[in-house]
Amino acid sequence: GQNIDQPTEMTATEGAIVQINCTYQTSGFNGLFWYQQHAGEAPTFLSYNVLDGLEEKGRFSSFLSRSKGYSYLLLKELQMKDSASYLCAVTRGGSYIPTFGRGTSLIVHP
Amino acid sequence: KAGVTQTPRYLIKTRGQQVTLSCSPISGHRSVSWYQQTPGQGLQFLFEYFSETQRNKGNFPGRFSGRQFSNSRSEMNVSTLELGDSALYLCASSYRGMNTEAFFGQGTRLTVV
Repeated sequence: GQNIDQPTEMTATEGAIVQINCTYQTSGFNGLFWYQQHAGEAPTFLSYNVLDGLEEKGRFSSFLSRSKGYSYLLLKELQMKDSASYLCAVTRGGSYIPTFGRGTSLIVHP
Repeated sequence: KAGVTQTPRYLIKTRGQQVTLSCSPISGHRSVSWYQQTPGQGLQFLFEYFSETQRNKGNFPGRFSGRQFSNSRSEMNVSTLELGDSALYLCASSYRGMNTEAFFGQGTRLTVV
């Protein structure tokens, strides 16, 4: 199977840090995407991790452990505009077809 | 540069009809992939076209088809529409393919009644 698991919903306070986890089955793994999708809008690319470790991009960081089938997206200094759905997607095999998780709805409150 | 453009934005069709959706990728991008997004199933891959050839296909019935033109614009067609085809259809373009950053269009919201 290609189950990708991420929490359905998370809430956090403005200015805080939140970590959104994503676990997946490791067979045939190529890489892992994180996308942000605001309600009624298109997904926008945040990161693509292929190698183990942490990649930082401004307030957002993404971590990958290939052997554990685990990734997280770390959002720092949360802002109200960060309220959105965060999608984890895994690519496998030679086709690189992405399989998406169901998304984590993040609610940032004052 | 201009983003990915999908037309139309909204569409209402009747069961049994067919529909064609259009996607214009970012200039220079040769890969166009299509996805269906529903509350129940999330985002699911339909197919990918690269340089006018279907390179990958997801697990959807043959009623779902697509094509890509020489200018990289792509269309997807759904025949014999069913109520369950109601969804947001998204296309994404990238320069090399699905293992690189993809840029999504705003989507076409299809409602089948």
